[in-house]
Amino acid sequence: QQQVKQSPQSLIVQKGGISIINCAYENTAFDYFPWYQQFPGKGPALLIAIRPDVSEKKEGRFTISFNKSAKQFSLHIMDSQPGDSATYFCAASMRSGAGSYQLTFGKGTKLSVIP
Amino acid sequence: DSGVTQTPKHLITATGQRVTLRCSPRSGDLSVYWYQQSLDQGLQFLIQYYNGEERAKGNILERFSAQQFPDLHSELNLSSLELGDSALYFCASSVDLAGHYEQYFGPGTRLTVT
Repeated sequence: QQQVKQSPQSLIVQKGGISIINCAYENTAFDYFPWYQQFPGKGPALLIAIRPDVSEKKEGRFTISFNKSAKQFSLHIMDSQPGDSATYFCAASMRSGAGSYQLTFGKGTKLSVIP
Repeated sequence: DSGVTQTPKHLITATGQRVTLRCSPRSGDLSVYWYQQSLDQGLQFLIQYYNGEERAKGNILERFSAQQFPDLHSELNLSSLELGDSALYFCASSVDLAGHYEQYFGPGTRLTVT
């Protein structure tokens, strides 16, 4: 019930291409879906997030698509650049007690953008 | 830079020992979360403190404990260390008010148990 399944495990995209990472969840109590970007040796950094009342959110080259009925959401990176090469984690959160929003993470996708 | 600080950056210790990891949250954030990141388990939530009180527990071993101090910094204590405890340990902080609970991660502490 608490799992978030992420695919693919790794992804190689050519510069200028579109990177797509998918996630699926089971627990309908999740109400917040962030994506994190992590470079080697660094902590995860919040990239973009969506709540289930919208189907899409776009910030620059990054777009989250959300399908509530299918319990799936995905990250699209348009015009992918070598600097986007990193590990991407999807996550889901729900309120569990006062002042508590635990994140459940997917296993991560290692993206490599080749010139 | 997320505004969350963690010390030390690296820690090498022997099995059976005890270590303390420290985290200072972003200014104004009331919650501190601790996560363990390993190659096989990914990012696992350990424990959360909110304004000095424990609020949620995840996959935290009994050998591990944490606390949050009045100035809101937090410490994660790991005792009777085993080889399998080698991992990256991250803390994250959040405001945790309604509608504002984005978590911001620190740079992590890499723990190596030999």
